[in-house]
Amino acid sequence: DAGVTQSPTHLIKTRGQHVTLRCSPISGHKSVSWYQQVLGQGPQFIFQYYEKEERGRGNFPDRFSARQFPNYSSELNVNALLLGDSALYLCASSLVGGAFNTGELFFGEGSRLTVL
Amino acid sequence: KQEVTQIPAALSVPEGENLVLNCSFTDSAIYNLQWFRQDPGKGLTSLLLIQSSQREQTSGRLNASLDKSSGRSTLYIAASQPGDSATYLCAVEGGSWGKLQFGAGTQVVVTP
Repeated sequence: DAGVTQSPTHLIKTRGQHVTLRCSPISGHKSVSWYQQVLGQGPQFIFQYYEKEERGRGNFPDRFSARQFPNYSSELNVNALLLGDSALYLCASSLVGGAFNTGELFFGEGSRLTVL
Repeated sequence: KQEVTQIPAALSVPEGENLVLNCSFTDSAIYNLQWFRQDPGKGLTSLLLIQSSQREQTSGRLNASLDKSSGRSTLYIAASQPGDSATYLCAVEGGSWGKLQFGAGTQVVVTP
């Protein structure tokens, strides 16, 4: 069975541009979460989506947005990119969500974003 | 506010030694704790999930314990191998829907 897949794997943008990152969850998983990992740190929670609705949001500016599609895949959008947005963006899926105790999360390989 | 700490930040051991990795958290009101492995530049691989009602979980050479009252978890890796070299992260879920709070990780090097 395929795991969580993310695209693109690497991308380079310049300040002020916007970026769209994509994620396909494990088959049967209805919840998708997004995390940002800066080099040398643990991942930071950005969003959780369950059944196509936003169920949780971390402490990120409104430049960050996401959505989940009927097939449970998801997109993360970041507008007006800043140098500090350079990071590894990780997508995770789980069977359940939208409630406490989401259970085991399975992560993709991430999208490495470099902002110049 | 939940804070998760992993000490040490890095350690190196010779092959065959047992590894002991520590994770502490400040708020004991958690739903679960999960241990992950991360290879350089890669995503996270789930190792073990411990629900708040459990005291430990085991998978092969890995054993993780959880003491909610003291805010601690320990990951034991028996008979370490060079392939165990990676960064190990712990994360707790609690308080906010779907949000995992991660530690910064412990970078492990197992020398042949």
